Amino acid sequence: GIQVEQSPPDLILQEGANSTLRCNFSDSVNNLQWFHQNPWGQLINLFYIPSGTKQNGRLSATTVATERYSLLYISSSQTTDSGVYFCAVDNTNAGKSTFGDGTTLTVKP
Amino acid sequence: DVKVTQSSRYLVKRTGEKVFLECVQDMDHENMFWYRQDPGLGLRLIYFSYDVKMKEKGDIPEGYSVSREKKERFSLILESASTNQTSMYLCASKGSSPYEQYFGPGTRLTVT
Repeated sequence: GIQVEQSPPDLILQEGANSTLRCNFSDSVNNLQWFHQNPWGQLINLFYIPSGTKQNGRLSATTVATERYSLLYISSSQTTDSGVYFCAVDNTNAGKSTFGDGTTLTVKP
Repeated sequence: DVKVTQSSRYLVKRTGEKVFLECVQDMDHENMFWYRQDPGLGLRLIYFSYDVKMKEKGDIPEGYSVSREKKERFSLILESASTNQTSMYLCASKGSSPYEQYFGPGTRLTVT
């Protein structure tokens, strides 16, 4: 199956700093999503981005499908951005996704 | 907006009890999933369903069963709960075109 590797595993930032999270995957994919797991455990959808670039406020994402990676950018980070960020991919549309191990982000005030 | 709801946020059960976790989605999605999440082990797929009455085993189906009698509802059953099933259980549903997955709030199950 597809292997998904996220980096870095942990990231500590000062409030206001920018960051880039990376997701590498081992095979071509049809679907790719970024999620943020909040302190209560719920996974919140950030981006559905199998290719191209999207922006939503301070967050943006780029997927280069031909090179098998995706990047999540967080600008002007806030303490509420803290949590775990997951990348999930699949190449079967209706089937199961493969999740990376996540990047744990801590934003300090 | 897609909404996925789970029957309980927190649940405490005794060893040997039969446990039902229910998940309901309101977007007419064909595909539904049950995951468990444990520290250091990430999200692991237990079962998924791509249609009513259809189910497929995921990566860790042992000790679990599922039921999907209606399209909007996907139930996870622990036939005889054990302490190693203490975990966070996450339900998800997946649309088509785009094939975007949405998660419920999760159920923290403790088996004592």
